Amino acid sequence: AQSVTQLDSHVSVSEGTPVLLRCNYSSSYSPSLFWYVQHPNKGLQLLLKYTSAATLVKGINGFEAEFKKSETSFHLTKPSAHMSDAAEYFCVVSDDTDKLIFGTGTRLQVFP
Amino acid sequence: NAGVTQTPKFQVLKTGQSMTLQCAQDMNHEYMSWYRQDPGMGLRLIHYSVGAGITDQGEVPNGYNVSRSTTEDFPLRLLSAAPSQTSVYFCASSSMDGGRAEAFFGQGTRLTVV
Repeated sequence: AQSVTQLDSHVSVSEGTPVLLRCNYSSSYSPSLFWYVQHPNKGLQLLLKYTSAATLVKGINGFEAEFKKSETSFHLTKPSAHMSDAAEYFCVVSDDTDKLIFGTGTRLQVFP
Repeated sequence: NAGVTQTPKFQVLKTGQSMTLQCAQDMNHEYMSWYRQDPGMGLRLIHYSVGAGITDQGEVPNGYNVSRSTTEDFPLRLLSAAPSQTSVYFCASSSMDGGRAEAFFGQGTRLTVV
């Protein structure tokens, strides 16, 4: 069975400082991994995805994530946080049946 | 481009009432799904469909029915609402690409059952 664990339910950073949101996964397949973002009272939007190509994946708004098979991790990073990055972030794993398994989410707060 | 359209955005039901949450997509996607989002639990899969006439249960299907008569539409029915069904519901669609495709989400329906 597949699963994802988001290691922090809340992360707080100051504007202009780096962001790290941590995600570990479990999968018996070669997984596809995604990060989705949800701004308040909005739907979910894809930030980036890993699908067995390059292990360092670049997404929208300056975010990137690195797939590390040895550590079963897919952490999301951004060099410099912006106020508009405040949102909830979901790490998601998918198998070849197209079902998505969501982590419990990490709420990112950005302080001025 | 409309993408995935959910209606209504908000709904209050009394216990025992029934209702249908509507979902429509205009991207000709084969795969459609319904999730519920509860605090601290992420999104959990209720039901999904891989094409017209084909539906299957997800992780939390009890109390919900679905049908898929067309590629575009995937309504979710609550036959007898219960307070435990108070949640935010999201519909999503994607092409079928062995799990690699981006999922597109509607704006959500906030349902309160009193």
